[in-house]
Amino acid sequence: SQKIEQNSEALNIQEGKTATLTCNYTNYSPAYLQWYRQDPGRGPVFLLLIRENEKEKRKERLKVTFDTTLKQSLFHITASQPADSATYLCALPFSGSARQLTFGSGTQLTVLP
Amino acid sequence: GAGVSQTPSNKVTEKGKYVELRCDPISGHTALYWYRQSLGQGPEFLIYFQGTGAADDSGLPNDRFFAVRPEGSVSTLKIQRTERGDSAVYLCASSSTGTGATEAFFGQGTRLTVV
Repeated sequence: SQKIEQNSEALNIQEGKTATLTCNYTNYSPAYLQWYRQDPGRGPVFLLLIRENEKEKRKERLKVTFDTTLKQSLFHITASQPADSATYLCALPFSGSARQLTFGSGTQLTVLP
Repeated sequence: GAGVSQTPSNKVTEKGKYVELRCDPISGHTALYWYRQSLGQGPEFLIYFQGTGAADDSGLPNDRFFAVRPEGSVSTLKIQRTERGDSAVYLCASSSTGTGATEAFFGQGTRLTVV
């Protein structure tokens, strides 16, 4: 069955460094992948979508890569700030229905001042 | 409205009771989704509406769960005979299309606690 794994439940980094979050998936070849940010008590907020024919996508300090051979996406935040502290979720369309998004369990990022 | 609105923000109910959770999507968004999120987990798909019809309800856990969207805008998630295991945050999202490869806008969620 389709499975999504995000690296470690929590990641702590120093302000100014680059945070790298990993999303691995198995038993599926998605046409795209999405990344969301979620703050405590709030709903997820869309950040980036990358399609299978795109190797890399950037938005301000964010960069996402998509390696369909490794079945992996990397999410980078450069020049990280304490305000970047949140849980980051990757999401894929469900193999049985493109309208369903299957979410990973998320990685909680803390940027230390 | 400016964003997806969910009411109530919090709901505490007794086991066995009936609850309704409401979602007001972004105006003009034809696609509407309900998700459920447990602590430490990502959102879990429940149901998807395209317009007024439930295009995919395969995520509903059992027949105690039902959702409607009678006029293609506001949606209500209904849970009968609530159980303690139903306790979670229920999230609603909407998007301009139902293709999936579109940004989904989430509400703040309704935290349901069944005691």
